[in-house]
Amino acid sequence: EADIYQTPRYLVIGTGKKITLECSQTMGHDKMYWYQQDPGMELHLIHYSYGVNSTEKGDLSSESTVSRIRTEHFPLTLESARPSHTSQYLCASSERQRETQYFGPGTRLLVL
Amino acid sequence: KNQVEQSPQSLIILEGKNCTLQCNYTVSPFSNLRWYKQDTGRGPVSLTIMTFSENTKSNGRYTATLDADTKQSSLHITASQLSDSASYICVVSDRGSTLGRLYFGRGTQLTVWP
Repeated sequence: EADIYQTPRYLVIGTGKKITLECSQTMGHDKMYWYQQDPGMELHLIHYSYGVNSTEKGDLSSESTVSRIRTEHFPLTLESARPSHTSQYLCASSERQRETQYFGPGTRLLVL
Repeated sequence: KNQVEQSPQSLIILEGKNCTLQCNYTVSPFSNLRWYKQDTGRGPVSLTIMTFSENTKSNGRYTATLDADTKQSSLHITASQLSDSASYICVVSDRGSTLGRLYFGRGTQLTVWP
């Protein structure tokens, strides 16, 4: 299994709360990604990073923000959670110039 | 428009039987095609990767084929096991950007019954 971790695995939270989803990898990968996945649907890229201090928005518009202060850490933050944010969030990483992405186990978020 | 279409959407087979999953894509310019397995509640795990010049790749009981001319791929599972129950996702990468843009299919949900 890949050495990429996500916490929490499950989160139930009320509308308006601020949340941070954690993602860490110990493989030394430069590229990291956040995807959103609804049941039975394809993965949508919401954020990615080429390396430290690099962050870019993905294809799917998202109200979340990310940061990349350390190579191994790529947290995603929602300042004010809404029910429309209910989904599964998957973090992934890959080596520079290679495209095989290694995924974490995901965080299932439910906003009431 | 770059797209990846998978069929069937879901499939139920008996343990020990073989099955084939299909993937059609319109991604251009093509770089490579991957099949991922995603167990329920887990992240996807890469099974195979094929480039333009490869037309078949095996990983144990999993065999993927690629026809770059017709832009079709298949994943054949031999002698299915209960642990094969999962979603199988076809992912196509283009070579038009540094990122190597990935296009995901919606997956085929495979259920293997005893």
